[in-house]
Amino acid sequence: QLLLQESGPGLVKPSETLSLTCTVSGASISSSTSFWGWVRQPPGKGLEWIGTIDYGGSTYYNPSVKSRVTLSVDTSKNQFSLKLSSVTAADTAVYHCARHTLVKDNLFDFWGQGALVTVSS
Amino acid sequence: QSVLTQPPSLSGAPGQRVTISCTGSRSNIGAGYDVHWYQQLPGTAPKLLIYVNSNRPSGVPDRFSGSKSGTSASLAISGLQAEDEADYYCQSYDSSLGVVVFGGGTKLTVL
Repeated sequence: QLLLQESGPGLVKPSETLSLTCTVSGASISSSTSFWGWVRQPPGKGLEWIGTIDYGGSTYYNPSVKSRVTLSVDTSKNQFSLKLSSVTAADTAVYHCARHTLVKDNLFDFWGQGALVTVSS
Repeated sequence: QSVLTQPPSLSGAPGQRVTISCTGSRSNIGAGYDVHWYQQLPGTAPKLLIYVNSNRPSGVPDRFSGSKSGTSASLAISGLQAEDEADYYCQSYDSSLGVVVFGGGTKLTVL
């Protein structure tokens, strides 16, 4: 069974950088057919795709946040990470990591529970 | 405002059948991109419910069904049960925006 777990600070100050890591278990992040994504959900609102990375480090970003987002992968730890710079209150959300079948069906089939990140001074 | 439009809320009595619509445009659903549906129970992560328009992952009851036509898709739930009370999201791809897009979500209440 594929499991994903987000980790990182739950509180970030405005203008600083939000950093989250997703640890994958039950499958190798290095699989050539696997892509790994981030989806966020502001409190009481819907889902927004942030970006996706493959095991080789190729990235795909939502233009709405592209200038502020960096995704990376650490195959030795079976983890991938999200950095979002210059955050504002609008970036307060639950951040989910998920496996993204980008090439095949373009869906998210396994999700982490989510990490609430609050942007506040 | 979401690219894919869903009714914000819907309700039904136990045993009833409800349908959740997902309306897109010619640059997403109408362009032939597949639609997927997710169920999000309170306080939990979204769960893939229907993939590629009408397919159910293993373990999803056949009370749930999906369809797609033109620029819209629908999720039908028959024999409504209390445990079906959740938020439901549709998802596709938009070629004009070049992004994965989600509907705004529908909160289903079982009366």
